[in-house]
Amino acid sequence: DGGITQSPKYLFRKEGQNVTLSCEQNLNHDAMYWYRQDPGQGLRLIYYSQIVNDFQKGDIAEGYSVSREKKESFPLTVTSAQKNPTAFYLCASSMRDSAAYGYTFGSGTRLTVV
Amino acid sequence: GQQVMQIPQYQHVQEGEDFTTYCNSSTTLSNIQWYKQRPGGHPVFLIQLVKSGEVKKQKRLTFQFGEAKKNSSLHITATQTTDVGTYFCAGRDSNYQLIWGAGTKLIIKP
Repeated sequence: DGGITQSPKYLFRKEGQNVTLSCEQNLNHDAMYWYRQDPGQGLRLIYYSQIVNDFQKGDIAEGYSVSREKKESFPLTVTSAQKNPTAFYLCASSMRDSAAYGYTFGSGTRLTVV
Repeated sequence: GQQVMQIPQYQHVQEGEDFTTYCNSSTTLSNIQWYKQRPGGHPVFLIQLVKSGEVKKQKRLTFQFGEAKKNSSLHITATQTTDVGTYFCAGRDSNYQLIWGAGTKLIIKP
């Protein structure tokens, strides 16, 4: 079945460490996105990519980095510069970044700083 | 920046009662999407509305897009325990960016 796979499901990080969250999709979607969700809140866009080797900052990109070397993969690195990284991270994809398509989400990664 | 306001934040209902959530934007939207997120889960796309005044139904769910394309609503008739979760609207602005509402959490009273 086609879908988006995020790993790991749970991740614990020590302060000062960088961590990378994986996102892989086999839907042949062009666009991919990273969102952050804090308890009881909506989704905030971190980064998005519409094509391979190109990506754009979202509303809260500071302290995060991404790459898009393959159409299927869009990993997110949470750097030590991110002051409050504990959150639920969601990866999504869509057919193309146009008006016509809804987003498909992965099951998310819950990151906790210990 | 542009915002989509969604109310209420929470709604407690008895099973069998109706539920409604509303979204309002200060600017005209190209379209609006609705998603459902079950507790502990991820958002799942429900529907997209594009036309002014559009109304779409999915079984007990009715979605509306306002005439001015600035507001939208989701109404659930006769809620069931399977409806529990948070419902998000997401409006697409003129730059094709998706602007998310903060969500309305549907809670069924025991």
